[in-house]
Amino acid sequence: EIVLTQSPGTLSLSPGERATLSCRASQSVSSSYLAWYQQKPGQAPRLLIYGASSRATGIPDRFSGSGSGTDFTLTISRLEPEDFAVYYCQQYGSSPGGFRWTFGQGTKLEIK
Amino acid sequence: EVQLVESGGGLVQPGRSLRLSCAASGFTFDDYAMHWVRQAPGKGLEWVSGISWNSGSIGYADSVKGRFTISRDNAKNSLYLQMNSLRAEDTALYYCAKETDYGDSLDYWGQGTLVTVSS
Repeated sequence: EIVLTQSPGTLSLSPGERATLSCRASQSVSSSYLAWYQQKPGQAPRLLIYGASSRATGIPDRFSGSGSGTDFTLTISRLEPEDFAVYYCQQYGSSPGGFRWTFGQGTKLEIK
Repeated sequence: EVQLVESGGGLVQPGRSLRLSCAASGFTFDDYAMHWVRQAPGKGLEWVSGISWNSGSIGYADSVKGRFTISRDNAKNSLYLQMNSLRAEDTALYYCAKETDYGDSLDYWGQGTLVTVSS
Protein backbone atom coordinates (compact mmCIF):
# COMPACT_ATOMS: atom_id res chain seq x y z
CA GLU A 1 0.00 0.00 0.00
CA ILE A 2 1.31 3.43 -0.95
CA VAL A 3 1.49 5.80 2.03
CA LEU A 4 1.09 9.53 1.35
CA THR A 5 2.70 11.96 3.80
CA GLN A 6 1.62 15.59 3.65
CA SER A 7 3.59 18.51 5.01
CA PRO A 8 3.33 20.74 6.83
CA GLY A 9 0.53 19.60 9.10
CA THR A 10 -0.61 23.18 9.54
CA LEU A 11 0.31 26.20 7.43
CA SER A 12 -0.39 29.71 8.72
CA LEU A 13 -0.48 32.40 6.06
CA SER A 14 -2.22 35.68 5.28
CA PRO A 15 -4.57 36.46 2.38
CA GLY A 16 -2.58 37.45 -0.68
CA GLU A 17 0.37 35.21 0.20
CA ARG A 18 1.51 32.13 -1.71
CA ALA A 19 0.88 28.68 -0.25
CA THR A 20 2.94 25.59 -1.04
CA LEU A 21 1.69 22.23 0.19
CA SER A 22 3.67 19.02 -0.15
CA CYS A 23 2.64 15.38 -0.63
CA ARG A 24 5.28 12.65 -0.59
CA ALA A 25 4.55 9.04 -1.57
CA SER A 26 6.26 5.99 -0.07
CA GLN A 27 6.74 4.63 -3.59
CA SER A 28 6.35 6.00 -7.06
CA VAL A 29 2.79 6.95 -8.05
CA SER A 30 2.22 5.58 -11.54
CA SER A 31 1.31 7.89 -14.40
CA SER A 32 0.94 10.83 -12.03
CA TYR A 33 -2.33 9.46 -10.63
CA LEU A 34 -2.32 12.03 -7.88
CA ALA A 35 -5.23 14.29 -6.94
CA TRP A 36 -5.81 17.13 -4.49
CA TYR A 37 -9.01 17.98 -2.60
CA GLN A 38 -10.16 20.90 -0.49
CA GLN A 39 -12.47 20.40 2.48
CA LYS A 40 -14.15 23.10 4.52
CA PRO A 41 -15.83 22.46 7.89
CA GLY A 42 -19.15 20.67 7.57
CA GLN A 43 -18.72 20.12 3.83
CA ALA A 44 -17.80 17.21 1.61
CA PRO A 45 -14.39 17.35 -0.07
CA ARG A 46 -14.09 19.16 -3.40
CA LEU A 47 -11.80 17.96 -6.20
CA LEU A 48 -9.20 20.58 -7.13
CA ILE A 49 -6.49 18.82 -9.15
CA TYR A 50 -6.32 15.45 -10.91
CA GLY A 51 -3.52 13.77 -12.83
CA ALA A 52 -1.08 15.72 -10.65
CA SER A 53 -1.49 18.98 -12.58
CA SER A 54 -4.91 19.29 -14.26
CA ARG A 55 -7.46 21.60 -12.68
CA ALA A 56 -10.94 20.20 -12.16
CA THR A 57 -13.94 21.98 -13.64
CA GLY A 58 -14.57 25.40 -12.14
CA ILE A 59 -11.33 25.56 -10.12
CA PRO A 60 -9.65 28.99 -10.24
CA ASP A 61 -6.27 29.21 -11.93
CA ARG A 62 -4.58 30.35 -8.70
CA PHE A 63 -4.59 26.63 -7.84
CA SER A 64 -1.88 24.58 -9.53
CA GLY A 65 -0.42 21.13 -9.07
CA SER A 66 2.97 19.76 -9.99
CA GLY A 67 5.31 16.86 -9.38
CA SER A 68 5.90 13.28 -10.39
CA GLY A 69 7.18 10.03 -9.00
CA THR A 70 7.09 10.42 -5.24
CA ASP A 71 6.99 14.21 -4.74
CA PHE A 72 3.98 16.37 -5.49
CA THR A 73 3.04 19.96 -4.71
CA LEU A 74 -0.15 21.99 -4.57
CA THR A 75 0.44 25.71 -4.97
CA ILE A 76 -2.07 28.46 -4.34
CA SER A 77 -0.56 31.52 -5.94
CA ARG A 78 -2.40 34.24 -4.06
CA LEU A 79 -4.58 33.22 -1.13
CA GLU A 80 -8.18 34.34 -1.01
CA PRO A 81 -10.18 34.26 2.26
CA GLU A 82 -12.20 31.29 1.00
CA ASP A 83 -9.03 29.19 0.47
CA PHE A 84 -8.47 28.59 4.17
CA ALA A 85 -9.42 24.95 4.61
CA VAL A 86 -7.94 21.46 4.87
CA TYR A 87 -6.24 19.98 1.81
CA TYR A 88 -5.76 16.31 1.05
CA CYS A 89 -3.76 14.51 -1.58
CA GLN A 90 -4.93 11.14 -2.90
CA GLN A 91 -3.34 8.52 -5.10
CA TYR A 92 -5.08 6.14 -7.42
CA GLY A 93 -3.71 2.66 -7.49
CA SER A 94 -4.76 -0.77 -8.55
CA SER A 95 -3.55 -4.29 -8.03
CA PRO A 96 -4.57 -7.73 -9.20
CA GLY A 97 -6.98 -7.63 -6.28
CA GLY A 98 -8.67 -4.42 -7.43
CA PHE A 99 -8.66 -0.81 -6.35
CA ARG A 100 -6.04 0.44 -3.86
CA TRP A 101 -6.49 4.12 -3.17
CA THR A 102 -5.07 6.15 -0.29
CA PHE A 103 -5.32 9.68 1.07
CA GLY A 104 -2.71 11.75 2.81
CA GLN A 105 -3.40 12.87 6.37
CA GLY A 106 -4.16 16.45 5.32
CA THR A 107 -2.69 19.94 5.64
CA LYS A 108 -4.69 22.59 7.44
CA LEU A 109 -4.28 26.02 5.88
CA GLU A 110 -5.18 28.62 8.48
CA ILE A 111 -5.30 32.39 8.53
CA LYS A 112 -2.30 33.97 10.22
CA GLU B 1 -27.31 17.94 -11.68
CA VAL B 2 -25.36 15.10 -10.12
CA GLN B 3 -26.74 14.02 -6.76
CA LEU B 4 -25.49 11.36 -4.37
CA VAL B 5 -27.60 10.71 -1.30
CA GLU B 6 -26.37 8.34 1.37
CA SER B 7 -28.60 6.62 3.91
CA GLY B 8 -28.54 3.80 6.42
CA GLY B 9 -26.25 5.22 9.06
CA GLY B 10 -27.01 5.18 12.76
CA LEU B 11 -25.98 3.91 16.16
CA VAL B 12 -25.00 0.25 16.29
CA GLN B 13 -23.37 -1.97 18.89
CA PRO B 14 -19.89 -3.43 18.37
CA GLY B 15 -20.00 -6.70 16.46
CA ARG B 16 -23.29 -5.90 14.75
CA SER B 17 -23.99 -5.13 11.09
CA LEU B 18 -25.22 -2.16 9.09
CA ARG B 19 -25.93 -1.60 5.40
CA LEU B 20 -25.34 1.78 3.81
CA SER B 21 -26.99 2.87 0.58
CA CYS B 22 -26.21 5.63 -1.90
CA ALA B 23 -28.84 6.78 -4.38
CA ALA B 24 -27.35 8.36 -7.50
CA SER B 25 -28.98 10.66 -10.03
CA GLY B 26 -28.05 13.20 -12.69
CA PHE B 27 -25.54 11.02 -14.54
CA THR B 28 -25.34 7.64 -16.26
CA PHE B 29 -24.64 5.57 -13.16
CA ASP B 30 -23.51 2.41 -14.95
CA ASP B 31 -20.76 4.31 -16.79
CA TYR B 32 -18.75 5.05 -13.65
CA ALA B 33 -16.85 3.39 -10.86
CA MET B 34 -18.00 4.38 -7.39
CA HIS B 35 -16.32 4.57 -4.01
CA TRP B 36 -16.92 4.84 -0.28
CA VAL B 37 -14.71 7.19 1.74
CA ARG B 38 -15.04 7.73 5.48
CA GLN B 39 -13.99 10.39 7.94
CA ALA B 40 -13.80 9.74 11.67
CA PRO B 41 -14.82 12.71 13.85
CA GLY B 42 -12.12 15.37 13.68
CA LYS B 43 -9.88 13.19 11.52
CA GLY B 44 -8.82 12.96 7.88
CA LEU B 45 -10.24 11.13 4.91
CA GLU B 46 -9.87 7.36 4.59
CA TRP B 47 -10.66 5.48 1.39
CA VAL B 48 -12.80 2.46 2.27
CA SER B 49 -13.77 0.66 -0.91
CA GLY B 50 -14.31 1.02 -4.67
CA ILE B 51 -16.24 -0.85 -7.35
CA SER B 52 -15.99 -0.64 -11.13
CA TRP B 53 -18.96 0.12 -13.37
CA ASN B 54 -19.77 -3.54 -13.93
CA SER B 55 -18.67 -4.83 -10.49
CA GLY B 56 -15.79 -6.61 -12.21
CA SER B 57 -13.13 -4.87 -10.13
CA ILE B 58 -13.48 -4.26 -6.40
CA GLY B 59 -11.05 -3.14 -3.74
CA TYR B 60 -10.97 -2.57 -0.01
CA ALA B 61 -8.78 -0.82 2.50
CA ASP B 62 -6.89 -3.25 4.72
CA SER B 63 -8.79 -1.90 7.73
CA VAL B 64 -12.13 -3.22 6.42
CA LYS B 65 -11.16 -6.17 4.24
CA GLY B 66 -13.08 -9.30 5.18
CA ARG B 67 -15.71 -7.32 7.11
CA PHE B 68 -17.16 -4.90 4.54
CA THR B 69 -18.68 -5.71 1.15
CA ILE B 70 -19.32 -3.17 -1.58
CA SER B 71 -21.95 -3.78 -4.25
CA ARG B 72 -24.06 -1.88 -6.75
CA ASP B 73 -27.37 -2.25 -8.56
CA ASN B 74 -27.16 -0.40 -11.86
CA ALA B 75 -30.86 -0.92 -12.54
CA LYS B 76 -31.61 1.02 -9.35
CA ASN B 77 -28.77 3.56 -9.68
CA SER B 78 -27.63 2.53 -6.24
CA LEU B 79 -24.41 1.77 -4.41
CA TYR B 80 -24.22 -0.23 -1.19
CA LEU B 81 -21.81 -0.98 1.63
CA GLN B 82 -22.54 -3.98 3.84
CA MET B 83 -20.63 -3.55 7.09
CA ASN B 84 -20.27 -6.58 9.38
CA SER B 85 -18.43 -7.11 12.66
CA LEU B 86 -18.42 -3.39 13.31
CA ARG B 87 -15.82 -1.92 15.66
CA ALA B 88 -15.60 1.35 17.55
CA GLU B 89 -12.93 2.50 15.10
CA ASP B 90 -15.44 2.24 12.24
CA THR B 91 -17.28 5.25 13.71
CA ALA B 92 -17.21 7.87 10.98
CA LEU B 93 -19.10 9.87 8.41
CA TYR B 94 -19.33 7.68 5.32
CA TYR B 95 -19.29 9.41 1.95
CA CYS B 96 -20.35 7.95 -1.38
CA ALA B 97 -18.33 9.38 -4.28
CA LYS B 98 -18.24 9.14 -8.07
CA GLU B 99 -15.09 8.61 -10.08
CA THR B 100 -14.16 11.08 -12.77
CA ASP B 101 -14.14 10.30 -16.48
CA TYR B 102 -10.39 9.82 -16.14
CA GLY B 103 -10.76 7.21 -13.41
CA ASP B 104 -8.18 8.61 -11.05
CA SER B 105 -10.09 10.85 -8.66
CA LEU B 106 -13.53 11.63 -7.24
CA ASP B 107 -15.48 14.54 -8.68
CA TYR B 108 -18.83 14.28 -6.91
CA TRP B 109 -19.50 13.46 -3.28
CA GLY B 110 -22.61 12.99 -1.19
CA GLN B 111 -23.08 14.72 2.14
CA GLY B 112 -22.39 11.53 4.07
CA THR B 113 -24.18 9.29 6.54
CA LEU B 114 -22.94 8.97 10.10
CA VAL B 115 -22.17 5.57 11.57
CA THR B 116 -21.59 5.37 15.32
CA VAL B 117 -20.40 2.10 16.80
CA SER B 118 -20.87 2.06 20.53
CA SER B 119 -22.34 -0.07 23.28
